[in-house]
Amino acid sequence: EIVLTQSPATLSLSPGERATLSCRASQGVNSYLAWYQQKPGQAPRLLIYDAYKRATGIPARFSGSGSGTDFTLTISSLEPEDFAVYYCQHRQNWPLTFGGGTKVEIK
Amino acid sequence: EVQLVESGGGLVQPGGSLRLSCEASGFTFSSYEMNWVRQAPGKGLEWVSSIGGSGSTIYYADSVKGRFTISRDNAKNSLYLQMNSLRAEDTAVYYCAPRGLTTWYFNYWGQGTLVTVSS
Repeated sequence: EIVLTQSPATLSLSPGERATLSCRASQGVNSYLAWYQQKPGQAPRLLIYDAYKRATGIPARFSGSGSGTDFTLTISSLEPEDFAVYYCQHRQNWPLTFGGGTKVEIK
Repeated sequence: EVQLVESGGGLVQPGGSLRLSCEASGFTFSSYEMNWVRQAPGKGLEWVSSIGGSGSTIYYADSVKGRFTISRDNAKNSLYLQMNSLRAEDTAVYYCAPRGLTTWYFNYWGQGTLVTVSS
């Protein structure tokens, strides 16, 4: 099973600041990695897939990078609606697994 | 418009059983892999099970293998999860989600159904 480790667990930032979230895989997943955003009481929303491709309707301030075992989600300038929990997920093989999440909170 | 509506959640005692359903619309259901993903209260996301479009390819997370059974009825555009020998750690919101519609990730989700395992 591929373990995805997200860091930091919590990121305290102010609106307008840049957010950098990390996801590290226990073994290589090529570029088969996605990022999701989840707000309280809502289902997750796909942001980035295949490491860097933005899903439909996702603003350009969200970007993804990386391949192999190290991946980054960057939010260039935080908007009030971006404060949420972010998860990474791979599709390299079975079982599909998610990271433990990074909470982006208002400082 | 893709719509996914889960149902069947509720309160069940440890060791009990429950059957979840997911009714899908807005896409050719039989052509796509369907999945169950769960989220325990205050915790992260966990993939549970997957079934291919024809129903012949099935995968389970180790945490539910031997206790849960995924199935589908393509004539009814419906996905199911039969959950037996339930444990407290199965308490979670269960989401159904297809893969492959536009990406091989989960870009469509239902609203989820809450399963609570408690005496």
